[in-house]
Amino acid sequence: GDSVTQMEGPVTLSEEAFLTINCTYTATGYPSLFWYVQYPGEGLQLLLKATKADDKGSNKGFEATYRKETTSFHLEKGSVQVSDSAVYFCALSAPGKGAGSYQLTFGKGTKLSVIP
Amino acid sequence: ETGVTQTPRHLVMGMTNKKSLKCEQHLGHNAMYWYKQSAKKPLELMFVYNFKEQTENNSVPSRFSPECPNSSHLFLHLHTLQPEDSALYLCASSQVRSHRGPHNEQFFGPGTRLTVL
Repeated sequence: GDSVTQMEGPVTLSEEAFLTINCTYTATGYPSLFWYVQYPGEGLQLLLKATKADDKGSNKGFEATYRKETTSFHLEKGSVQVSDSAVYFCALSAPGKGAGSYQLTFGKGTKLSVIP
Repeated sequence: ETGVTQTPRHLVMGMTNKKSLKCEQHLGHNAMYWYKQSAKKPLELMFVYNFKEQTENNSVPSRFSPECPNSSHLFLHLHTLQPEDSALYLCASSQVRSHRGPHNEQFFGPGTRLTVL
């Protein structure tokens, strides 16, 4: 079945450091790929997405490129801020069992803490 | 109200209680989802409703009973829960267009933090 593997956390960085969170996936067909972020006490928010190979999703200084050849969708940011402290989830979307249904398969999440 | 709302935000219940979680989406979407998020496991999809019909039930115990009366509302009825059911329950919605179209993102509510004593 489909699966998403992302790097284990927690990750602790100093402010303005470079961030990479690795994500690889296994899926049949051509899934769409997403990064979601969860701030403390809140639900998940979509951070960025890519729907086909070589697409680059970007938002709030974060970027990720859909690499079909390596089945990867690594999240990067050039300079993190304290406000980026959150849990980050990589996910893929593929057809579900029911007609017209889609399922998101999530990675386990990576907790990022940014210290001043 | 905008986006996806969930009530209550926090719920404490005994194992013999019956309670319901409510989710409402204000986005005009046609699919809604229940997820369970617990401390030691990845996000688990529980139920999916497309056009008000349940299309997925990922082997969820019968003590969880979903209800989708219309495309904007989704309920999760709870009865005789166990302490291990304590978790954050997240509702999401999305617009499903076609098998061949882009797979649209899901929009999440803030969740209900459930504690079963």
